[in-house]
Amino acid sequence: DTGVSQNPRHKITKRGQNVTFRCDPISEHNRLYWYRQTLGQGPEFLTYFQNEAQLEKSRLLSDRFSAERPKGSFSTLEIQRTEQGDSAMYLCASSLTGGSYTFGSGTRLTVV
Amino acid sequence: DQQVKQNSPSLSVQEGRISILNCDYTNSMFDYFLWYKKYPAEGPTFLISISSIKDKNEDGRFTVFLNKSAKHLSLHIVPSQPGDSAVYFCAAIPLGGAGSYQLTFGKGTKLSVIP
Repeated sequence: DTGVSQNPRHKITKRGQNVTFRCDPISEHNRLYWYRQTLGQGPEFLTYFQNEAQLEKSRLLSDRFSAERPKGSFSTLEIQRTEQGDSAMYLCASSLTGGSYTFGSGTRLTVV
Repeated sequence: DQQVKQNSPSLSVQEGRISILNCDYTNSMFDYFLWYKKYPAEGPTFLISISSIKDKNEDGRFTVFLNKSAKHLSLHIVPSQPGDSAVYFCAAIPLGGAGSYQLTFGKGTKLSVIP
């Protein structure tokens, strides 16, 4: 297993467009998390899945954001009608219940 | 409201000397504390952790100290090496109850180890 994989690594999009990111967790990990990191800040929690169930969403996750984890495997994070304030590094992590997180390398989104 | 605070945005240390990175927290529900290291264009990598029932945990060159009464922890790296140059994030998590799966991060401290 090569760890947590995120695609794409970089995405540049025009304001108002929709974007989708993918995360492939470590295969046996049942928990999957999305975090967002903006410049000068630490990663901030967005949402969390246990298997295929989305159990928690942060207030940071506006209605324009949606995340899915069909079949409890990979996950997608979609941002609709992107805004310049959405520019950030989007990090995915996975873990076993009670286990330590493994982060992916992130997707850097730039909205122009 | 920043629940995990790293008040030093940057730190420069000579190679071979000790690096001390500090972290304060405000939430009494935090039970478990972690340090992550992050290189540019990569995700955070777990470094070392400590449970609230301990006051020290050591792993090679890295030692984390926890002062629960002061809500303060620190990461000591000795001896510091140029490869240690990175951004270090302090993170905390409550082990039970609401949010027990959420890591709360500080803003990070950029460590530069000068050869």
